[in-house]
Amino acid sequence: QLQLQESGPGLVKPSETLSLTCTVSGGSISSRSYYWGWIRQPPGKGLQWIGSIYNSGSTYDNPSLSSRVTISVDTSKNQFSLKLSSVTAADTAVYYCARHIYCSGSSCYTGGGYMDVWGKGTTVTVSS
Amino acid sequence: EVVMTQSPATLSVSPGERATLSCRASQSVSSNLAWYQQRPGQAPRLLIYGSSTRATGIPAKFSGSGSGTEFTLTISSLQSEDFAVYFCQQYNDWPRTFGQGTQVEIK
Repeated sequence: QLQLQESGPGLVKPSETLSLTCTVSGGSISSRSYYWGWIRQPPGKGLQWIGSIYNSGSTYDNPSLSSRVTISVDTSKNQFSLKLSSVTAADTAVYYCARHIYCSGSSCYTGGGYMDVWGKGTTVTVSS
Repeated sequence: EVVMTQSPATLSVSPGERATLSCRASQSVSSNLAWYQQRPGQAPRLLIYGSSTRATGIPAKFSGSGSGTEFTLTISSLQSEDFAVYFCQQYNDWPRTFGQGTQVEIK
């Protein structure tokens, strides 16, 4: 059974860089069938897609965040990571990692389509 | 980006009744639309993809329909575990975007 687990600091100071890692267990991050992504949810609000990565290292990200976002993958550790620079209080949120379907039926979605497996999420607070 | 608008924001339903949730896209997303359920303190769970295909393990009480810009999620005979927030998400265009959610609460 595939599981994803987010890890990283729960508190980050303003202007610093948020760094999170997602560890995949019960399956291989090198599978050709999936992308791997990050989604966040500010307190009491909706979901925002941050970006995704393929096992080759190809990345796709949200233009509203792309200047600050770096997503990377380490296939040897079955992990992928998120770095978000120059954080402010507006980046306070629960951060989820998720598996994105690449192909469904006869359609393929470069960068990933819907998310079929999610981590439990990790809360990151930006505060001095 | 494609703006997803869900209505209503809150839906009050009695146990055993049916709930109908709506999701509208600002431009056509074909059938590239998913629905998720989020219970308090939990991660979202995939319910529906391709507008109408139930995900693995999702009971038949959940059904989705629509294409283009108008979509509907129907939940029949609500039980206590179904009272949650439901999000729609389009994966037809970049960036992937979600609706703001519909809270289904006990009437």
